[in-house]
Formats: sequence, C-alpha cells, structure tokens
Amino acid sequence: DAKTTQPNSMESNEEEPVHLPCNHSTISGTDYIHWYRQLPSQGPEYVIHGLTSNVNNRMASLAIAEDRKSSTLILHRATLRDAAVYYCILRDHTGNQFYFGTGTSLTVIP
Amino acid sequence: GAVVSQHPSWVICKSGTSVKIECRSLDFQATTMFWYRQFPKQSLMLMATSNEGSKATYEQGVEKDKFLINHASLTLSTLTVTSAHPEDSSFYICSARDQSGGSSPLHFGNGTRLTVT
Repeated sequence: DAKTTQPNSMESNEEEPVHLPCNHSTISGTDYIHWYRQLPSQGPEYVIHGLTSNVNNRMASLAIAEDRKSSTLILHRATLRDAAVYYCILRDHTGNQFYFGTGTSLTVIP
Repeated sequence: GAVVSQHPSWVICKSGTSVKIECRSLDFQATTMFWYRQFPKQSLMLMATSNEGSKATYEQGVEKDKFLINHASLTLSTLTVTSAHPEDSSFYICSARDQSGGSSPLHFGNGTRLTVT
C-alpha cells in the first residue's frame, strides 16, 4: 500500500473550519483516498472517501489535489465531538488489506 | 448504516489462559474481515485478514498459532488469543466490508480491551 503522511497534531477553535492535510505522493491511479476518525477507546469511524473529484457528505468534505498527491479533509464547523485522531488511508482497487498511518490528533478548543 | 458488533468490550484474564473475541456483522454479509491491534497512543496495526471459509492471511511478525482466527460464516469471525501473556494486553479491533473493491468503506467494531494479569 502507498504511504500517507499527516501532521501529528492540530488544534482548532470550536465552530471554526478545520483543514486536515494528507500527503500521498506515491499514490497509484487506482488508489482510493479514505478518511476515518477514532475517538478515544472506540473503533475507527468512516468519514469520507474519494478517487479524483472532491466529495461532500454530511460529516465533511474531501478536497483532492489535481495530481492526487495530496488531499485535505475539511470539517466545516468543528465541534467538541470532532476531537479525535483522523486517519488518511489509501486503498487499492481490490480493497484488500488496509493499513493505518500515524494519523492527526485534532484538539478542539472551546 | 452497516454495523459491526464486537464482544466482549473488555476482558481480564490470567496469564496462560486463552481468550476468544467475537466480531459480527449485524446487517450485512462480510466476506472479508480484518483484525487489528492497537497499543496505547499508537496507531492500529493490521494483524490478519480473514476470508469466509478459508484460512486467514497473517501479517509479517504475527504468530498465527498464537492468534487463531476463524471466519466460519459470512457474519462472524473470531480471534482467539492462546496462552495469553501480559505483553498481549492491548486493544483489539475488528472490521468488515460488505463488498469488495477499493471504494467500499470498512465498518469497525468498538474494540475489545484485553488485560492479561
């Protein structure tokens, strides 16, 4: 699996937008970009995924660079419940295996 | 949405005993399930991939005789930690997907915290 690089930690003020970056310079043409988040003592939760085009859902938006070597998860208005570790993961077209990187620990400041 | 149930949520056992953790997909059939282990303040580490009706594929460095995985049905996979030792204490998490391909999201259980005394 191609590797991803994320900042170890980020902070955001409550109710402000948050942009979580992810670099994946070795991404292949068939790799999907997935984002998950993990709250303390829980299993990861699916957030969003995309291939080439930007994606929106009720939880977040995913902005994918034109060359696909980086992407950004956007939380439009951070809440205290968004405090979690966010993982950016690449999955190949088979979907087999699923490796987690180190993730970004997001702190939301009231 | 798709739900994965993991049981028990926590377990304490004595050194040398075996512990079984169950992972069930409640509203979908999971042809493939994944087992992870997570130590405090670390990321998830993939242990093995299990496919229904066949032997699990273990990641390098994971002892298959110690971590027995059974995926006998499309809705149930089990992980048995045999002869557990204190260093096996960890947070074990399972996940499942309801269809193949890179676009299908994984659904995760809420994890099992194992403490070996």
